[in-house]
Amino acid sequence: AQSVSQHNHHVILSEAASLELGCNYSYGGTVNLFWYVQYPGQHLQLLLKYFSGDPLVKGIKGFEAEFIKSKFSFNLRKPSVQWSDTAEYFCAVNARVGNKLVFGAGTILRVKS
Amino acid sequence: EPEVTQTPSHQVTQMGQEVILRCVPISNHLYFYWYRQILGQKVEFLVSFYNNEISEKSEIFDDQFSVERPDGSNFTLKIRSTKLEDSAMYFCASSPRGESFRGQYFGPGTRLTVT
Repeated sequence: AQSVSQHNHHVILSEAASLELGCNYSYGGTVNLFWYVQYPGQHLQLLLKYFSGDPLVKGIKGFEAEFIKSKFSFNLRKPSVQWSDTAEYFCAVNARVGNKLVFGAGTILRVKS
Repeated sequence: EPEVTQTPSHQVTQMGQEVILRCVPISNHLYFYWYRQILGQKVEFLVSFYNNEISEKSEIFDDQFSVERPDGSNFTLKIRSTKLEDSAMYFCASSPRGESFRGQYFGPGTRLTVT
C-alpha cells in the first residue's frame, strides 16, 4: 500500500528564511507526486506536481520541489519565505490519473514577520 | 478560474441521522472523489467515482456511505446513520480526463459534527 511521510509537523521560520519540508513516500511503481497548500480558512490548493521529466519542478509562489527517485523523496523548498506563506502543506501521491491521492500528515508552517 | 463548491459549509446532526453532503465539481471534469479529515489526522480517501460508478473505495467507505451523481452537475455523499466518529471535514474533489494534470481540485469542505 502507498504511504507518505512528512518529517515535520510544525515549522516556525522568520521572514526571508529558507524553507525545506521533507516528504518521503513508499510505493514500488511509477507515481505522480504533489504538494498541496491549505491557507487558514481556505481549501486545499495545488502548489506543484511531478509526474515525469525534469525532477526539479517549479510551482506557484516561488515554491519548488525535487524528486529523488533513489530516496523516494519529494521535498518542498522555497529560498525566502514570506509571512503570507503561513499555511499547512501536504505532500500527496497517486499512481495514475483518476486514482486516489494518498496524503501525508501535513506540516504546519508559521512564518513570523 | 472554475472551482469545486460544497454545501453546506457546516452540518450538525444527531447520531443515527442521515446526512447528505453536496458537491458541484468543475463542469468538464470526469473523475470525482470524497475525502475526509478527522481533526488532527491525515486527509483520508473515501471513494472515487467515474463514468457513473464507483471506481475505488477505501475500508472507511462501508455500507453506511453512498455516493450519487443525481444530475449533470451535483455529486453527493450520503451517510445513512451517522456515528460520533463520522465527525470530520469532508472534502470533495474532481479531476479532468487526460494525462496533462493528474492532480485533483478540491472544494472548501463541509465540517460535519455528529452529536
